[in-house]
Amino acid sequence: TQLLEQSPQFLSIQEGENLTVYCNSSSVFSSLQWYRQEPGEGPVLLVTVVTGGEVKKLKRLTFQFGDARKDSSLHITAAQPGDTGLYLCAGVGGSQGNLIFGKGTKLSVKP
Amino acid sequence: DAGVTQSPTHLIKTRGQHVTLRCSPISGHKSVSWYQQVLGQGPQFIFQYYEKEERGRGNFPDRFSARQFPNYSSELNVNALLLGDSALYLCASSLDYSSGNTIYFGEGSWLTVV
Repeated sequence: TQLLEQSPQFLSIQEGENLTVYCNSSSVFSSLQWYRQEPGEGPVLLVTVVTGGEVKKLKRLTFQFGDARKDSSLHITAAQPGDTGLYLCAGVGGSQGNLIFGKGTKLSVKP
Repeated sequence: DAGVTQSPTHLIKTRGQHVTLRCSPISGHKSVSWYQQVLGQGPQFIFQYYEKEERGRGNFPDRFSARQFPNYSSELNVNALLLGDSALYLCASSLDYSSGNTIYFGEGSWLTVV
């Protein structure tokens, strides 16, 4: 069974601080996706990483895919209250090619 | 262009009842997947359909069923509702069955079973 472990589960920080969220697995994934979900809404895709060692930047967000394609990280620089939400990592896995999600990291950025 | 649309957005059902949730994929997308997200958890895969055929099924009981129509829209049906079925049900669409395709989610249907 492929599992994705996310840490930390909860994160509460002040505006302007930096943070990193981790997504780890013992399994290899062909790609990993990061989503942000706000209360009452569906997940919104932030980025897809495909190549081991790949780094992608989206404004203040930096995503990295591990060399072995088993782990990924999301780093946010100078967090803002608008970054508040649930961050989910998901890997395409299994024999059915479905997304396997981590439990998410709930981020709260206080002004 | 419209994204993935789901209906209804919220509904309340009683234990033992049946529910039907509906989903329209992004125009041009032929694959639809359903996920269940219980409060505080990540989404769990229920079904994937492509070209009206079931292509994948997660670890859910037979009370859960789905189908895809010729226009690629989809329905998720849940029979004999239990309190534990209370969750956000997410529909996602992608171009086709290939695992390399990006998956886009709708805003979900909130089901409360009382």
